[in-house]
Amino acid sequence: DAGVTQSPTHLIKTRGQQVTLRCSPKSGHDTVSWYQQALGQGPQFIFQYYEEEERQRGNFPDRFSGHQFPNYSSELNVNALLLGDSALYLCASGSTGGTDTQYFGPGTRLTVL
Amino acid sequence: TQLLEQSPQFLSIQEGENLTVYCNSSSVFSSLQWYRQEPGEGPVLLVTVVTGGEVKKLKRLTFQFGDARKDSSLHITAAQPGDTGLYLCAGATTSGTYKYIFGTGTRLKVLA
Repeated sequence: DAGVTQSPTHLIKTRGQQVTLRCSPKSGHDTVSWYQQALGQGPQFIFQYYEEEERQRGNFPDRFSGHQFPNYSSELNVNALLLGDSALYLCASGSTGGTDTQYFGPGTRLTVL
Repeated sequence: TQLLEQSPQFLSIQEGENLTVYCNSSSVFSSLQWYRQEPGEGPVLLVTVVTGGEVKKLKRLTFQFGDARKDSSLHITAAQPGDTGLYLCAGATTSGTYKYIFGTGTRLKVLA
């Protein structure tokens, strides 16, 4: 049973560019959340998708957007990249009606130059 | 703004010592999780606590959820070098939403 997978593992972009990160949830999970973790800090909640819609959102600008597909996988898009967007981007999946337990993927390390 | 404060931020101890990490907030949580994270990897779930006053044990790790569900602690007995890592607590304010607020983390180093 595969856990949460994310791609790519690492990514280097320049300021102003756009990036798309991908996540496949754990088998049986239907909810995907995205987090940003800056170096030396705890993860910060970006948003969450369920039934292909954004259900919850943290304090992030509109440059951060996402999508969930019918197979529950998800994408995180960031436009007009800033140096401060450099971070580890984590995806977590859970099951609606479950026990509030979410499982994290290994993350995508984004570096903006 | 809901905050989860962890203490201490950094901890360096000798193998065999005991330690406690604290996670405190002014908010009430429906559930609270503890994770351990290695550099460059995602957090790995250690435990979820949901009931005020609940105590859970995982080998040498003991987790406690405060009676008011605003705080939690993680106690490690006889720490080993393999316990080294970043320990994170995360609280959910509403059950079933999976919107977790993470603490600032405690970086633990256990020296052999």
